Amino acid sequence: SAVISQKPSRDICQRGTSLTIQCQVDSQVTMMFWYRQQPGQSLTLIATANQGSEATYESGFVIDKFPISRPNLTFSTLTVSNMSPEDSSIYLCSVVLSGANVLTFGAGSRLTVL
Amino acid sequence: GENVEQHPSTLSVQEGDSAVIKCTYSDSASNYFPWYKQELGKGPQLIIDIRSNVGEKKDQRIAVTLNKTAKHFSLHITETQPEDSAVYFCAASKGGTYKYIFGTGTRLKVLA
Repeated sequence: SAVISQKPSRDICQRGTSLTIQCQVDSQVTMMFWYRQQPGQSLTLIATANQGSEATYESGFVIDKFPISRPNLTFSTLTVSNMSPEDSSIYLCSVVLSGANVLTFGAGSRLTVL
Repeated sequence: GENVEQHPSTLSVQEGDSAVIKCTYSDSASNYFPWYKQELGKGPQLIIDIRSNVGEKKDQRIAVTLNKTAKHFSLHITETQPEDSAVYFCAASKGGTYKYIFGTGTRLKVLA
């Protein structure tokens, strides 16, 4: 089965800084998404990462705060900008693998903002 | 937009007993309902799913039922084992969008 690698797996960050999370998939992918899971909460879709073009953001999420890149089919980055303690969450990369029609998640990146 | 409610938020059962988790959805256009299991420190893993043209689906000790009229679906785990302990999420989506709306999660504890 496909391996979805996220880096970093966890990090502790200072208020006001930015952090970029990487997602790499070892199989062909048709779609890539970024989700946020706040402590003890459910999963909320941030955006759809579009290859070679601007991401499509869900209501409540903006590009200035969560810039996303997807330079090729199997790699994407999510940046959390100007972080505050409220951004402390698990950020999850999820993909639809070629030939499949379900969503598969990476292990997530746990961010703590002090 | 779609809203998914999930109950209970926590559930403790004795090993060997059954566990049932229930979800309701609001958008009658939703037609795909997956269930994910999330273990500590890991991402959610798909365990079973059901589409709106089916009323029930079973995979070994796990089953899911769907009532389209009432707009609710349930996860049933029989003969629970300690390794079933995890957080379970239901979700709903409209076919082909992959924009899943997740429930709030159920923390299942199976007591040995």
